[in-house]
Amino acid sequence: AQTVTQSQPEMSVQEAETVTLSCTYDTSESDYYLFWYKQPPSRQMILVIRQEAYKQQNATENRFSVNFQKAAKSFSLKISDSQLGDAAMYFCAYRGPGGTSYGKLTFGQGTILTVHP
Amino acid sequence: GAGVSQTPSNKVTEKGKYVELRCDPISGHTALYWYRQSLGQGPEFLIYFQGTGAADDSGLPNDRFFAVRPEGSVSTLKIQRTERGDSAVYLCASSPGLATDTQYFGPGTRLTVL
Repeated sequence: AQTVTQSQPEMSVQEAETVTLSCTYDTSESDYYLFWYKQPPSRQMILVIRQEAYKQQNATENRFSVNFQKAAKSFSLKISDSQLGDAAMYFCAYRGPGGTSYGKLTFGQGTILTVHP
Repeated sequence: GAGVSQTPSNKVTEKGKYVELRCDPISGHTALYWYRQSLGQGPEFLIYFQGTGAADDSGLPNDRFFAVRPEGSVSTLKIQRTERGDSAVYLCASSPGLATDTQYFGPGTRLTVL
């Protein structure tokens, strides 16, 4: 079974600084998808960034970028120029290839990010 | 357009009671997913629908849990004989279909079983 591990229960960063959130996963598949979701206190999960495993290029979305290391099964999120609105719980998630597991997201335990002004 | 909506936002019930949680997906989305999130944890998959049929219900914890999507749009998660351990936030998500891999989440229903 696939597992996703976030080893940092909490992280903090100063406004305008850079922070990196870690995520590792375990799978026997070669083709899959990885995601970072943000969950503010409102509970609504918001997609931050996604990565297709077959793509070697790391995904970027404005201030958010990932470091995808397929061999190491590592998928970290870097937030540059941190803003107060970035404060939230961040979840790393895995989605397998086609078949019956296609719809299922497997989430990590989450990392609470605090941004200090 | 509107996002995924879930009702009620909060539900408090007594042990042993029956509850229904509703999810309205984004219009036109054929795939719909239910997850359960316990306090301080990541969401756990329960079930997903493609159209009206449950394509994968492997995450339902036991036969007290059941979900339907009779017309391929709105879905209802039903929990019979609720137990205190069922207390959690129940999240619903939808996506345009199997061709896409982005799930859009609703705000969830917080269920509290006393």
